[in-house]
Amino acid sequence: AQKVTQAQTEISVVEKEDVTLDCVYETRDTTYYLFWYKQPPSGELVFLIRRNSFDEQNEISGRYSWNFQKSTSSFNFTITASQVVDSAVYFCALKDTDKLIFGTGTRLQVFP
Amino acid sequence: ETGVTQSPTHLIKTRGQQVTLRCSSQSGHNTVSWYQQALGQGPQFIFQYYREEENGRGNFPPRFSGLQFPNYSSELNVNALELDDSALYLCASSTLAGGPPDTQYFGPGTRLTVL
Repeated sequence: AQKVTQAQTEISVVEKEDVTLDCVYETRDTTYYLFWYKQPPSGELVFLIRRNSFDEQNEISGRYSWNFQKSTSSFNFTITASQVVDSAVYFCALKDTDKLIFGTGTRLQVFP
Repeated sequence: ETGVTQSPTHLIKTRGQQVTLRCSSQSGHNTVSWYQQALGQGPQFIFQYYREEENGRGNFPPRFSGLQFPNYSSELNVNALELDDSALYLCASSTLAGGPPDTQYFGPGTRLTVL
């Protein structure tokens, strides 16, 4: 079955703390694509990153970093030195032929 | 480069009515996908349009239908509205070019309330 699990429903941190959002996936495919999106209160899903299954290199983009581990079927997202503007719901997604399969999301609240 | 746009922003309908939601794809994209996001849930795939044809469909009844136009814009139509249709409807555009799947870029969504 194609499935994405985000076990953390809600996380609260104080500004400048580091935070990791977990994502575990299940897929029958040997080649697959994973994504992270951010959904601020305005509702629009903002694309953050796409990862191919054959590229296990971790990626860093500013304060954001992603840890992809095929052995544990995980694609975790870390925000370093969190800021209030990072407050949003974050979704992990798996590409399945023509569609994205999303997890239920993790709501991150960053307090000043 | 123009991003994905959707209209209207908000809509209130009553049970049994019909609704049409609109989406303009991002410049250079030829594929539009529609998703329904209920409160507190992740988006659920409704269907995708490519070259004006339905290119895949999720687990939604036939009263959810769509169109894609030659300029790649798209409409989502929902007939016989039910209370459970209340949700945020998201449109995403991408490019199907025969290679690895392209990233889907989302619009701001249309929030539909059915009373």
